[in-house]
Amino acid sequence: AQSVSQHNHHVILSEAASLELGCNYSYGGTVNLFWYVQYPGQHLQLLLKYFSGDPLVKGIKGFEAEFIKSKFSFNLRKPSVQWSDTAEYFCAVTPGYSSASKIIFGSGTRLSIRP
Amino acid sequence: GAVVSQHPSWVICKSGTSVKIECRSLDFQATTMFWYRQFPKQSLMLMATSNEGSKATYEQGVEKDKFLINHASLTLSTLTVTSAHPEDSSFYICSARDSHLPNTEAFFGQGTRLTVV
Repeated sequence: AQSVSQHNHHVILSEAASLELGCNYSYGGTVNLFWYVQYPGQHLQLLLKYFSGDPLVKGIKGFEAEFIKSKFSFNLRKPSVQWSDTAEYFCAVTPGYSSASKIIFGSGTRLSIRP
Repeated sequence: GAVVSQHPSWVICKSGTSVKIECRSLDFQATTMFWYRQFPKQSLMLMATSNEGSKATYEQGVEKDKFLINHASLTLSTLTVTSAHPEDSSFYICSARDSHLPNTEAFFGQGTRLTVV
């Protein structure tokens, strides 16, 4: 069965530190990849997405992610975090290209930023 | 951007009653919508895929008779929690993608906080 693994359950960083959150998926075919963020008390928002093309994807708020097909990975990065980045981050995968393809979420990583 | 609206945002109901949650795509059509459940400090668990004009597809372990899904139009899916119990208390979230644009992200509703007392 398809699955998404986020290895970091809770990450604590100081402001201005660099961030990398790991995401690995298990699916051998074509995938679409996403990172969503959920700020406290709010609904999910899309940070960035990968469908095809350049494997280095830039998203909103200075986030980027790199798709490494050989490693089945889509790690999220940010060179310098801010206190406002405190949130829950979810990696998600959609097998295939159909709008009916279900989205499978990782377990999430809680990011806490110390001011 | 595209908007998915859920109603109500929160609801409190008594044990044994049924609760209906609506999910609407406001500016696009969605032949498929997805219903998730999120427990506190946990990830989104896919419950079922709602298919316009046909039966929903439920994930393993989800009781279809308890969580009734109806997708009567291209912009509306409903989830009815029947004979609710306190353990059904949770955060329910729907999502949808534009049926005419397959290579797009899913948009999520704001969620519905269900509390069964």
